[in-house]
Amino acid sequence: DAMVIQNPRYQVTQFGKPVTLSCSQTLNHNVMYWYQQKSSQAPKLLFHYYDKDFNNEADTPDNFQSRRPNTSFCFLDIRSPGLGDAAMYLCATSSARGEEQETQYFGPGTRLLVL
Amino acid sequence: AQKVTQAQTEISVVEKEDVTLDCVYETRDTTYYLFWYKQPPSGELVFLIRRNSFDEQNEISGRYSWNFQKSTSSFNFTITASQVVDSAVYFCALSEAFSGGYNKLIFGAGTRLAVHP
Repeated sequence: DAMVIQNPRYQVTQFGKPVTLSCSQTLNHNVMYWYQQKSSQAPKLLFHYYDKDFNNEADTPDNFQSRRPNTSFCFLDIRSPGLGDAAMYLCATSSARGEEQETQYFGPGTRLLVL
Repeated sequence: AQKVTQAQTEISVVEKEDVTLDCVYETRDTTYYLFWYKQPPSGELVFLIRRNSFDEQNEISGRYSWNFQKSTSSFNFTITASQVVDSAVYFCALSEAFSGGYNKLIFGAGTRLAVHP
């Protein structure tokens, strides 16, 4: 089945130690998104890629970076995690073509714990 | 500015009861999309439905039904004969019409539904 995959599902890191979260998709969608979701809150968009074009939300901290080496993969890098970065990180994809172009499909998320 | 309001923070029902989750939105766009997502305890956001602003027909899918009313800017979600597996957080979301290759979802705060046996 076509899907959005996130690894790892749980990640523990130390304060200030860089961490990378990964997302892959078999949907062949050209748009990929990263969201941060803190406990009991709605997801908050950090940035998205439209093909290779990177688009940052205005309030996304510089501590968060992203890479998209090809259509299928996208990475979220947190350069110096702070305690406030502990959250669920959700990857989503959408197609900029066809009838489904407005719908975002989400992966299972990576829950990040910062010690 | 766009905004989605889910006034019900938590709802608790007993299995087989019907339950309606409310969603009210604000937008100045004439073309927009509305969505419902389900987030079970595992954390994944599961897409349930998309409705565009030109289609006010109500939709039914099994035990799920959606009532879209532009006159009141509401897009309510009803679960008939609820089951324990329906326990989750449900998010209503609004997006601008497709432009430039992506759509930004504006989420409501979510409604936590607990269905008890």
